[in-house]
Amino acid sequence: QKEVEQNSGPLSVPEGAIASLNCTYSDRGSQSFFWYRQYSGKSPELIMSIYSNGDKEDGRFTAQLNKASQYVSLLIRDSQPSDSATYLCAVNWGGTSYGKLTFGQGTILTVHP
Amino acid sequence: DVKVTQSSRYLVKRTGEKVFLECVQDMDHENMFWYRQDPGLGLRLIYFSYDVKMKEKGDIPEGYSVSREKKERFSLILESASTNQTSMYLCASRDHSSTDTQYFGPGTRLTVL
Repeated sequence: QKEVEQNSGPLSVPEGAIASLNCTYSDRGSQSFFWYRQYSGKSPELIMSIYSNGDKEDGRFTAQLNKASQYVSLLIRDSQPSDSATYLCAVNWGGTSYGKLTFGQGTILTVHP
Repeated sequence: DVKVTQSSRYLVKRTGEKVFLECVQDMDHENMFWYRQDPGLGLRLIYFSYDVKMKEKGDIPEGYSVSREKKERFSLILESASTNQTSMYLCASRDHSSTDTQYFGPGTRLTVL
């Protein structure tokens, strides 16, 4: 069974701080990695995708991928109360999986003023 | 603008009833997915479809079936609803261009009494 594990939460950070969210996955052959954000009562929305080792930056968000260690992380700089949500890590195992994703259980982030 | 709609936001059914959940996307996507989301378990894939009339089991298909007669519509069927199928059901549609994004519908909160 291919698994995706996220660091247990909930995670609470003060406004303006860096929030760090981590995710590990079980299959070395995994090809693509995604971070989804889910506000309470809403459906998930994609915020970052990453395919190769290293960092990928988009505004205040940075995704980091280390395939050798089988982890992917999401850093949120200058955290805002509006970033308070559940963050879901998802992995596409590749091959002919038609984009099938396996999700982690999610990490609840609270940014307090 | 991307749009995935689901037939109901809230649904209450009795044990043993046959339940139909409908999902429609207007983006001409080939791949569509059904997930359920439960607290502490994240999103789990029930079934997916990679083209009209084509389907594959996900990680938890037991007790469910699906139908995809038209490209834009993907239906989830609970043959005989049970209380352990009480959950949030999310449909998604995949853009397999370079972004490889899955777009989610608003979800259906199903309660089986």
